[in-house]
Amino acid sequence: DTAVSQTPKYLVTQMGNDKSIKCEQNLGHDTMYWYKQDSKKFLKIMFSYNNKELIINETVPNRFSPKSPDKAHLNLHINSLELGDSAVYFCASSPRSVSLYGYTFGSGTRLTVV
Amino acid sequence: QKEVEQNSGPLSVPEGAIASLNCTYSDRGSQSFFWYRQYSGKSPELIMFIYSNGDKEDGRFTAQLNKASQYVSLLIRDSQPSDSATYLCASAIQGAQKLVFGQGTRLTINP
Repeated sequence: DTAVSQTPKYLVTQMGNDKSIKCEQNLGHDTMYWYKQDSKKFLKIMFSYNNKELIINETVPNRFSPKSPDKAHLNLHINSLELGDSAVYFCASSPRSVSLYGYTFGSGTRLTVV
Repeated sequence: QKEVEQNSGPLSVPEGAIASLNCTYSDRGSQSFFWYRQYSGKSPELIMFIYSNGDKEDGRFTAQLNKASQYVSLLIRDSQPSDSATYLCASAIQGAQKLVFGQGTRLTINP
């Protein structure tokens, strides 16, 4: 029944490793997003895909690479992890008109780089 | 200047009182505004949405929008301890296909 699901919920890894976070939505939404939330709760957009097409790519290190195999899935792969990558990463989805409906968020992935 | 600004708080309100949360925005192309509530360790959940000037009420929550002053607020009447959370204000800018968030206001309701 979960509308937007992310895995894993927690991720603890060493600097320099490569990791992936997966996201799936069963709402039939057209657009999916990745946001990073820092320790001060500020949510900053990273990427957005609309029906498998990348439409937003904010200033993010190229160690971060999103992939959308279909419109229900959006994954985030991070290479060469750094301490500063520690944060909570949220996946979200919205219908075509985000102005009218806003987002539905996933439960988040707390990434800790040690 | 940040696109969406909120006072990070903490804002402390006694139980049963009205909690008033404020948000300002800089982009006049902002079409609509959203209030999300985020409990500690949880994901943001949508509680209110407003796009017309004036007030919009839903239960104990009232959202207010003043586009001339570029100001959005959320009032919570009869505050309960369960309302203690961080409240995030977000704007949707025409054509941008994304929400821009403020830094959130941490609200604590004291029994």
